[in-house]
Amino acid sequence: GAVVSQHPSRVICKSGTSVKIECRSLDFQATTMFWYRQFPKQSLMLMATSNEGSKATYEQGVEKDKFLINHASLTLSTLTVTSAHPEDSSFYICSASKTGGITDTQYFGPGTRLTVL
Amino acid sequence: AQSVAQPEDQVNVAEGNPLTVKCTYSVSGNPYLFWYVQYPNRGLQFLLKYITGDNLVKGSYGFEAEFNKSQTSFHLKKPSALVSDSALYFCAVSRVGTPLVFGKGTRLSVIA
Repeated sequence: GAVVSQHPSRVICKSGTSVKIECRSLDFQATTMFWYRQFPKQSLMLMATSNEGSKATYEQGVEKDKFLINHASLTLSTLTVTSAHPEDSSFYICSASKTGGITDTQYFGPGTRLTVL
Repeated sequence: AQSVAQPEDQVNVAEGNPLTVKCTYSVSGNPYLFWYVQYPNRGLQFLLKYITGDNLVKGSYGFEAEFNKSQTSFHLKKPSALVSDSALYFCAVSRVGTPLVFGKGTRLSVIA
């Protein structure tokens, strides 16, 4: 149990276009979903936390107008990278938490590799 | 602010030998500690966590970790390493009111 999927797994786009990444909890309801960014050979950096039906909470330094997050249901959250630029190229990973509690385990998706040309 | 240190970028161990992946943390208050494993081009998989109670935590795939409050450590261990254990391991810490913070990761290589 506790499977999280992401779609697409890999996307290549032109500079200036927008890209949407979906994160789904397949066999549980996720009160809270998280979006991370991982650079090569580096750790995960939390971008934002989203609770179903509420506005996302963004970490310091993350542009909320550039990285739009929607958590419309208990099984789906989306991250839209608007007007993507080459510096946005990265590995984006989502995770989902059943209760959103601080001690609750986060279950991670397989990640989406974004390449902006 | 809390932080996590994984002092070794790379750990090499022979198959069948015991393995240890080190993690130390810094946090005010009671820490909540997690270990995750990442295989190439994959997301993170949960291994184990310490919230409260017994300091020795047993997790998936035969891994265990011991919470040591005086040394602020949470080292990951396994009695007998497998080649399939080769992956990137992340330690993470949180506490009440703060998000999960990850270490930089330790690449484990188990040699047959």
